[in-house]
Amino acid sequence: QKEVEQNSGPLSVPEGAIASLNCTYSDRVSQSFFWYRQYSGKSPELIMSIYSNGDKEDGRFTAQLNKASQYVSLLIRDSQPSDSATYLCAARRPGGGADGLTFGKGTHLIIQP
Amino acid sequence: DAGVIQSPRHEVTEMGQEVTLRCKPISGHDYLFWYRQTMMRGLELLIYFNNNVPIDDSGMPEDRFSAKMPNASFSTLKIQPSEPRDSAVYFCASSRDEKLFFGSGTQLSVL
Repeated sequence: QKEVEQNSGPLSVPEGAIASLNCTYSDRVSQSFFWYRQYSGKSPELIMSIYSNGDKEDGRFTAQLNKASQYVSLLIRDSQPSDSATYLCAARRPGGGADGLTFGKGTHLIIQP
Repeated sequence: DAGVIQSPRHEVTEMGQEVTLRCKPISGHDYLFWYRQTMMRGLELLIYFNNNVPIDDSGMPEDRFSAKMPNASFSTLKIQPSEPRDSAVYFCASSRDEKLFFGSGTQLSVL
């Protein structure tokens, strides 16, 4: 069973601080990784993707990938109350499109004003 | 584009009744997915279609669940008969590459 593991939280972070969300995956051949944000009562939406080892930055968001450790993280700088949501990590096996995605159960993030 | 459209948004039914959930994918997307989300199990893939053809239904929990995609712009997920343990949020999603676009979901409550 291919798994993606996340700490369910809640993770509470003061406004303006850096929020760090972590994810591990079991399928060593996974090639692509995604972070989806899901507000309460809403559907998941894609916010970041990362394909190679290292960091990828997009505005206040930085995704980090370490394939040797099978570890993915998402950093949110200058966190805002509007960042409060559940963040889902997903891994994709090679050769597949969206059909090859495995989702974690998500981490509930709370940004305290 | 209006995005992925699902209906109904909420469904409350009694155990044993038939439930039909509907989905219109984004035009031009050749993949359509049905997911179920619960607190305990997270987001689970039930079935997906490629060019209207069911490819993998291994996530469908049992024979009470069935899904169809008669054309590129419409899909249904049917539960017959429904049971209380089917209560969850059901999402439809579509894609043309590795990025998924989700509908607003159907909140199903089976009493």
